[in-house]
Amino acid sequence: QVQLQESGPGLVKPSETLSLTCTVSGGSIGGNFWSWMRQPPGKGLEWIGYFYHSGSTNYNPSLKSRVTTSVDTSKNQFSLKLSSVTAADTAVYYCATTTLMVPDAFDIWGQGKLVTVSS
Amino acid sequence: EIVLTQSPGTLSLSPGARATLSCRASQSVSSSYLAWYQQKPGQAPRLLIYGASSRATGIPDRFSGSGSGTDFTLTISRLEPEDFAVYYCQQYGNSPLITFGQGTRLEIK
Repeated sequence: QVQLQESGPGLVKPSETLSLTCTVSGGSIGGNFWSWMRQPPGKGLEWIGYFYHSGSTNYNPSLKSRVTTSVDTSKNQFSLKLSSVTAADTAVYYCATTTLMVPDAFDIWGQGKLVTVSS
Repeated sequence: EIVLTQSPGTLSLSPGARATLSCRASQSVSSSYLAWYQQKPGQAPRLLIYGASSRATGIPDRFSGSGSGTDFTLTISRLEPEDFAVYYCQQYGNSPLITFGQGTRLEIK
């Protein structure tokens, strides 16, 4: 069974770049869709972006100008970079994927990584 | 931009009761690509329903989903103590590609 684990700094300064990595275990990163979501403390879920291992991407228009994703197949990892962060970017960040035939919902999630933006 | 509105915001029920949660979209959801998740404090969301009415692997049959177009419902036939949580709906296929509702909190009465 595929498992996901987020990692990265838990504290980022305003205006800097947030960087997170999701490590995939129990399966290959190839041939699947991978996604990032976030959830501010006490609030709802927000989709950040979707990418396929081949490199095609689809990002939330509200974040598109600040988001970059990448994949390292040799390490079975994919990454998120969010630039020019503010306090509004403080959230639990989740990586997720799907085993469904159509990638319309996420049945596998990481445990989440809290990232706080503060000086 | 498609917006999902969930109601009620909070639902107070007793174990054994039937729960009905609503998710209304501001425009038609593509191919009924509507999913429901359950989230408990400190945990990642758990997929319950996808494609509006298909149960995910391992989900008890007391959970059912229905609806099409702009109106969708999650029904829990008989509430168990472990069902009290926050529930989110999520659509796929419109713009943005994926959006979530604001959530319904199901609490013990």
